[in-house]
Amino acid sequence: GAGVSQSPSNKVTEKGKDVELRCDPISGHTALYWYRQSLGQGLEFLIYFQGNSAPDKSGLPSDRFSAERTGGSVSTLTIQRTQQEDSAVYLCASSFGRDFSSTDTQYFGPGTRLTVL
Amino acid sequence: AQKITQTQPGMFVQEKEAVTLDCTYDTSDPSYGLFWYKQPSSGEMIFLIYQGSYDQQNATEGRYSLNFQKARKSANLVISASQLGDSAMYFCAMRVYYGNNRLAFGKGNQVVVIP
Repeated sequence: GAGVSQSPSNKVTEKGKDVELRCDPISGHTALYWYRQSLGQGLEFLIYFQGNSAPDKSGLPSDRFSAERTGGSVSTLTIQRTQQEDSAVYLCASSFGRDFSSTDTQYFGPGTRLTVL
Repeated sequence: AQKITQTQPGMFVQEKEAVTLDCTYDTSDPSYGLFWYKQPSSGEMIFLIYQGSYDQQNATEGRYSLNFQKARKSANLVISASQLGDSAMYFCAMRVYYGNNRLAFGKGNQVVVIP
Protein backbone atom coordinates (compact mmCIF):
# COMPACT_ATOMS: atom_id res chain seq x y z
CA GLY A 1 0.00 0.00 0.00
CA ALA A 2 0.93 3.66 -0.22
CA GLY A 3 3.21 5.15 2.39
CA VAL A 4 3.10 8.56 3.99
CA SER A 5 3.18 11.30 1.41
CA GLN A 6 4.15 14.93 1.88
CA SER A 7 3.92 17.98 -0.32
CA PRO A 8 5.63 19.99 -1.51
CA SER A 9 8.95 18.18 -1.45
CA ASN A 10 10.78 21.50 -1.53
CA LYS A 11 9.61 24.98 -0.63
CA VAL A 12 11.57 28.19 -0.93
CA THR A 13 9.97 31.26 0.56
CA GLU A 14 10.85 34.77 1.59
CA LYS A 15 11.13 35.81 5.18
CA GLY A 16 7.79 36.98 6.52
CA LYS A 17 5.63 34.90 4.19
CA ASP A 18 3.28 32.14 5.36
CA VAL A 19 3.74 28.54 4.25
CA GLU A 20 1.58 25.42 4.38
CA LEU A 21 2.99 21.93 4.44
CA ARG A 22 0.79 18.93 3.79
CA CYS A 23 0.91 15.35 5.03
CA ASP A 24 -1.19 12.42 3.88
CA PRO A 25 -0.80 9.47 6.29
CA ILE A 26 -1.00 5.76 5.65
CA SER A 27 -4.59 4.65 5.27
CA GLY A 28 -5.96 3.34 8.55
CA HIS A 29 -3.43 5.12 10.74
CA THR A 30 -5.17 7.19 13.38
CA ALA A 31 -2.07 8.86 14.78
CA LEU A 32 -0.07 11.49 12.92
CA TYR A 33 3.11 13.28 13.96
CA TRP A 34 5.15 16.23 12.78
CA TYR A 35 8.88 16.46 13.39
CA ARG A 36 11.51 18.95 12.29
CA GLN A 37 15.06 18.05 11.32
CA SER A 38 17.76 20.69 11.21
CA LEU A 39 21.53 20.56 11.35
CA GLY A 40 21.81 22.31 14.65
CA GLN A 41 18.89 20.73 16.51
CA GLY A 42 18.65 17.22 15.11
CA LEU A 43 15.17 15.68 15.04
CA GLU A 44 12.61 17.55 17.12
CA PHE A 45 9.03 16.58 17.85
CA LEU A 46 6.51 19.27 16.98
CA ILE A 47 2.96 17.97 17.39
CA TYR A 48 0.95 14.76 17.59
CA PHE A 49 -2.62 14.05 16.44
CA GLN A 50 -4.88 11.24 17.53
CA GLY A 51 -7.74 11.40 15.08
CA ASN A 52 -8.47 15.09 14.59
CA SER A 53 -7.42 16.21 18.04
CA ALA A 54 -3.94 17.20 19.13
CA PRO A 55 -3.27 15.93 22.66
CA ASP A 56 0.33 17.09 22.51
CA LYS A 57 1.31 20.42 20.96
CA SER A 58 4.19 21.03 23.31
CA GLY A 59 6.85 20.80 20.63
CA LEU A 60 5.61 23.72 18.54
CA PRO A 61 8.42 26.28 18.82
CA SER A 62 6.28 29.42 18.74
CA ASP A 63 2.75 30.65 18.14
CA ARG A 64 3.67 31.18 14.50
CA PHE A 65 3.36 27.42 14.11
CA SER A 66 -0.01 25.70 13.94
CA ALA A 67 -1.36 22.44 12.60
CA GLU A 68 -4.69 20.89 11.91
CA ARG A 69 -6.01 17.58 10.81
CA THR A 70 -9.36 17.03 9.18
CA GLY A 71 -11.36 13.87 8.61
CA GLY A 72 -8.82 11.91 10.59
CA SER A 73 -6.58 11.93 7.57
CA VAL A 74 -4.67 14.77 5.91
CA SER A 75 -2.81 17.23 8.11
CA THR A 76 -1.51 20.70 7.35
CA LEU A 77 1.33 22.39 9.20
CA THR A 78 1.23 26.17 8.82
CA ILE A 79 4.08 28.51 9.59
CA GLN A 80 3.17 32.19 9.67
CA ARG A 81 5.62 35.03 9.13
CA THR A 82 8.47 32.64 8.38
CA GLN A 83 11.91 33.33 9.77
CA GLN A 84 15.28 32.08 8.56
CA GLU A 85 15.59 29.82 11.59
CA ASP A 86 12.50 27.97 10.35
CA SER A 87 14.60 26.53 7.51
CA ALA A 88 14.65 22.76 8.03
CA VAL A 89 13.24 19.51 6.78
CA TYR A 90 9.73 18.92 8.12
CA LEU A 91 8.94 15.25 8.50
CA CYS A 92 5.52 13.73 8.95
CA ALA A 93 4.91 10.26 10.35
CA SER A 94 1.87 8.13 11.03
CA SER A 95 1.07 5.06 13.11
CA PHE A 96 -1.90 2.92 14.08
CA GLY A 97 -2.09 4.92 17.30
CA ARG A 98 -2.35 2.15 19.85
CA ASP A 99 -0.99 3.84 22.92
CA PHE A 100 -0.37 0.76 24.95
CA SER A 101 0.50 -1.76 22.33
CA SER A 102 3.84 -3.49 22.41
CA THR A 103 4.75 -1.71 19.23
CA ASP A 104 3.24 1.29 17.53
CA THR A 105 5.79 1.99 14.86
CA GLN A 106 5.85 5.40 13.25
CA TYR A 107 6.36 5.41 9.50
CA PHE A 108 7.78 8.54 7.98
CA GLY A 109 7.16 10.44 4.79
CA PRO A 110 9.91 11.81 2.55
CA GLY A 111 9.78 15.25 4.17
CA THR A 112 9.42 18.83 2.97
CA ARG A 113 12.62 20.83 2.75
CA LEU A 114 11.81 24.42 3.68
CA THR A 115 14.23 27.21 2.87
CA VAL A 116 13.50 30.70 4.13
CA LEU A 117 15.50 33.39 2.35
CA ALA B 1 12.36 13.48 30.02
CA GLN B 2 13.83 10.88 27.74
CA LYS B 3 17.32 11.18 26.39
CA ILE B 4 19.06 9.20 23.65
CA THR B 5 22.84 9.31 23.19
CA GLN B 6 24.69 8.34 20.06
CA THR B 7 28.29 9.51 20.23
CA GLN B 8 30.23 7.51 17.67
CA PRO B 9 31.96 9.51 14.95
CA GLY B 10 31.35 8.65 11.33
CA MET B 11 32.25 5.06 10.53
CA PHE B 12 33.74 3.41 7.48
CA VAL B 13 32.87 -0.25 7.11
CA GLN B 14 34.17 -2.78 4.65
CA GLU B 15 31.51 -4.42 2.51
CA LYS B 16 30.38 -7.80 3.94
CA GLU B 17 31.70 -6.92 7.40
CA ALA B 18 29.47 -6.43 10.45
CA VAL B 19 29.09 -3.06 12.15
CA THR B 20 27.76 -2.14 15.59
CA LEU B 21 26.16 1.24 16.26
CA ASP B 22 25.98 2.35 19.88
CA CYS B 23 22.92 3.80 21.54
CA THR B 24 22.38 4.54 25.21
CA TYR B 25 19.19 5.94 26.66
CA ASP B 26 17.87 7.41 29.86
CA THR B 27 14.35 7.20 31.19
CA SER B 28 12.65 6.65 34.51
CA ASP B 29 9.63 5.00 32.91
CA PRO B 30 9.56 1.19 33.12
CA SER B 31 7.64 0.78 29.88
CA TYR B 32 9.21 2.03 26.69
CA GLY B 33 10.07 1.07 23.15
CA LEU B 34 13.33 1.51 21.30
CA PHE B 35 13.49 2.00 17.55
CA TRP B 36 16.20 2.25 14.93
CA TYR B 37 15.71 4.17 11.72
CA LYS B 38 17.89 4.51 8.65
CA GLN B 39 18.11 7.76 6.72
CA PRO B 40 19.92 7.52 3.37
CA SER B 41 20.98 10.59 1.46
CA SER B 42 17.52 10.73 -0.13
CA GLY B 43 16.23 11.88 3.26
CA GLU B 44 13.47 9.39 4.01
CA MET B 45 13.43 7.83 7.48
CA ILE B 46 13.13 4.06 7.14
CA PHE B 47 12.09 1.93 10.10
CA LEU B 48 14.49 -0.95 10.76
CA ILE B 49 13.83 -2.66 14.07
CA TYR B 50 11.99 -2.36 17.38
CA GLN B 51 12.70 -3.56 20.94
CA GLY B 52 10.22 -3.35 23.78
CA SER B 53 11.45 -2.83 27.33
CA TYR B 54 9.79 -6.04 28.51
CA ASP B 55 10.92 -8.17 25.59
CA GLN B 56 12.93 -11.11 26.85
CA GLN B 57 14.84 -11.68 23.65
CA ASN B 58 16.87 -9.37 21.47
CA ALA B 59 15.02 -8.25 18.37
CA THR B 60 16.17 -9.42 14.97
CA GLU B 61 15.01 -8.39 11.50
CA GLY B 62 16.92 -9.88 8.61
CA ARG B 63 20.48 -8.52 8.74
CA TYR B 64 19.60 -6.22 11.63
CA SER B 65 19.75 -7.24 15.25
CA LEU B 66 19.52 -5.29 18.42
CA ASN B 67 21.83 -5.94 21.36
CA PHE B 68 19.57 -4.88 24.22
CA GLN B 69 21.18 -4.55 27.64
CA LYS B 70 18.45 -3.18 29.86
CA ALA B 71 20.50 -2.81 33.03
CA ARG B 72 23.09 -0.76 31.15
CA LYS B 73 20.37 1.12 29.23
CA SER B 74 21.91 0.37 25.90
CA ALA B 75 20.34 -0.74 22.63
CA ASN B 76 23.07 -1.21 20.06
CA LEU B 77 22.22 -1.98 16.45
CA VAL B 78 24.22 -4.67 14.68
CA ILE B 79 24.21 -4.79 10.90
CA SER B 80 25.64 -8.02 9.57
CA ALA B 81 27.16 -8.53 6.12
CA SER B 82 27.20 -4.83 5.24
CA GLN B 83 26.13 -3.81 1.75
CA LEU B 84 26.85 -0.64 -0.19
CA GLY B 85 23.20 0.32 0.22
CA ASP B 86 23.66 0.41 3.98
CA SER B 87 25.53 3.71 3.69
CA ALA B 88 23.30 6.15 5.58
CA MET B 89 22.65 7.93 8.85
CA TYR B 90 21.21 5.68 11.55
CA PHE B 91 19.03 7.05 14.31
CA CYS B 92 18.13 5.48 17.61
CA ALA B 93 14.81 6.60 19.09
CA MET B 94 12.73 5.92 22.17
CA ARG B 95 9.07 6.17 22.94
CA VAL B 96 7.64 6.10 26.43
CA TYR B 97 4.27 4.40 26.49
CA TYR B 98 2.45 6.34 29.13
CA GLY B 99 1.88 10.01 28.49
CA ASN B 100 2.44 10.66 24.84
CA ASN B 101 3.56 8.94 21.69
CA ARG B 102 6.41 11.16 20.63
CA LEU B 103 9.75 9.70 19.60
CA ALA B 104 12.90 11.12 21.17
CA PHE B 105 15.83 10.76 18.75
CA GLY B 106 19.56 10.59 19.16
CA LYS B 107 21.88 12.65 16.98
CA GLY B 108 22.56 9.73 14.65
CA ASN B 109 25.52 7.67 13.44
CA GLN B 110 26.94 8.11 9.94
CA VAL B 111 27.95 4.85 8.25
CA VAL B 112 29.79 4.59 4.94
CA VAL B 113 30.23 1.14 3.43
CA ILE B 114 33.27 0.80 1.20
CA PRO B 115 33.78 -1.92 -1.41
